[in-house]
Amino acid sequence: QKEVEQNSGPLSVPEGAIASLNCTYSDRGSQSFFWYRQYSGKSPELIMSIYSNGDKEDGRFTAQLNKASQYVSLLIRDSQPSDSATYLCAVARNTGKLIFGQGTTLQVKP
Amino acid sequence: NAGVTQTPKFQVLKTGQSMTLQCAQDMNHNSMYWYRQDPGMGLRLIYYSASEGTTDKGEVPNGYNVSRLNKREFSLRLESAAPSQTSVYFCASSDEGDIQYFGAGTRLSVL
Repeated sequence: QKEVEQNSGPLSVPEGAIASLNCTYSDRGSQSFFWYRQYSGKSPELIMSIYSNGDKEDGRFTAQLNKASQYVSLLIRDSQPSDSATYLCAVARNTGKLIFGQGTTLQVKP
Repeated sequence: NAGVTQTPKFQVLKTGQSMTLQCAQDMNHNSMYWYRQDPGMGLRLIYYSASEGTTDKGEVPNGYNVSRLNKREFSLRLESAAPSQTSVYFCASSDEGDIQYFGAGTRLSVL
């Protein structure tokens, strides 16, 4: 079992729809959780961080964390073609090191 | 404010050649990291440095060495490049346990 697992996709949604990206992790001691977006040929950029159970909203993005079930998700409302990218879930160990999932490719079709 | 700067952006090596990838950050972060990214594999940690003067192995350290030259700079060295080291390499920095910021990456091909 991988420490951080994501469905590699591609996940295809029509423009204006809600995209739902999911991530599960195996280390119950994990405290910090991050979603990075990576456009093709570019470096990862942080879009959301979440540290406690529940929802965290930032514009069209909502991160959801459920530590009991060991999953974290990212919802993108009103998806735009510019949201088409690979989304990386990352989980921080207590050492500060991040463990990344393999990423989910999102395609938003006009 | 440049953030994290990596050089070079592209490099082609022959098997057995050596090279050093350079990374510098201007955010006064204590921690710095080197990752490699291969198709379908996500980002895998090669080495990291929690603070100036310390380094530690990550998930895939074989074939690499690192130097934390000072608080700003963290270099990655390939002593004898192999085709299996063809990859995209990213440097990142962070305050302890917090958000990591990435450089633009180095695309390395080993023939």
